[in-house]
Amino acid sequence: AQSVTQLDSHVSVSEGTPVLLRCNYSSSYSPSLFWYVQHPNKGLQLLLKYTSAATLVKGINGFEAEFKKSETSFHLTKPSAHMSDAAEYFCVVSGDGGYNKLIFGAGTRLAVHP
Amino acid sequence: EPEVTQTPSHQVTQMGQEVILRCVPISNHLYFYWYRQILGQKVEFLVSFYNNEISEKSEIFDDQFSVERPDGSNFTLKIRSTKLEDSAMYFCASSTGLAGGGETQYFGPGTRLLVL
Repeated sequence: AQSVTQLDSHVSVSEGTPVLLRCNYSSSYSPSLFWYVQHPNKGLQLLLKYTSAATLVKGINGFEAEFKKSETSFHLTKPSAHMSDAAEYFCVVSGDGGYNKLIFGAGTRLAVHP
Repeated sequence: EPEVTQTPSHQVTQMGQEVILRCVPISNHLYFYWYRQILGQKVEFLVSFYNNEISEKSEIFDDQFSVERPDGSNFTLKIRSTKLEDSAMYFCASSTGLAGGGETQYFGPGTRLLVL
């Protein structure tokens, strides 16, 4: 069965410094992986996704993630944090079949300080 | 850009009452989903829906829950007799169904349900 572990429930960075949000997954087959972001009182917005093409995936707003099969990781990074990046971030793996359920991690709340 | 919309944004109900949560998926999408997030817990899959029938459901989705696409635009989640533990944020999502495995699901802003 698929599962996702986000290693940090809260991350705090200063504006202009790098962001690293960590995610490990468990899957019995080659998974599709996603990062979604949720700003306060907003829906879940797709940041980026990996679907067995390039292992380094670029997303919106300068975020990127690298799929490392040997480490079963899919960490999210951004070179320089902006105040508007403050939000909750979810690492997600797709279930069997692709059309069906997404399996969410517990989320990482990112705080960005001036 | 097309969006998934959900109404109401907030709903307060008494235990034992029926509630209907409404969603308008993106117009050319074929797959529809409901998820929920109990406060402080993970987002959990409830059900997926395609071609007017349920394609997959979780253990949470028991006989108290039902889904329907009553017309060409709306997708609803009904809870027949609400319990305190049904209090959660409920998210609707949709996808095209054309991309094969790993396609993107687009989420609505959610309905926060509070059962008293």
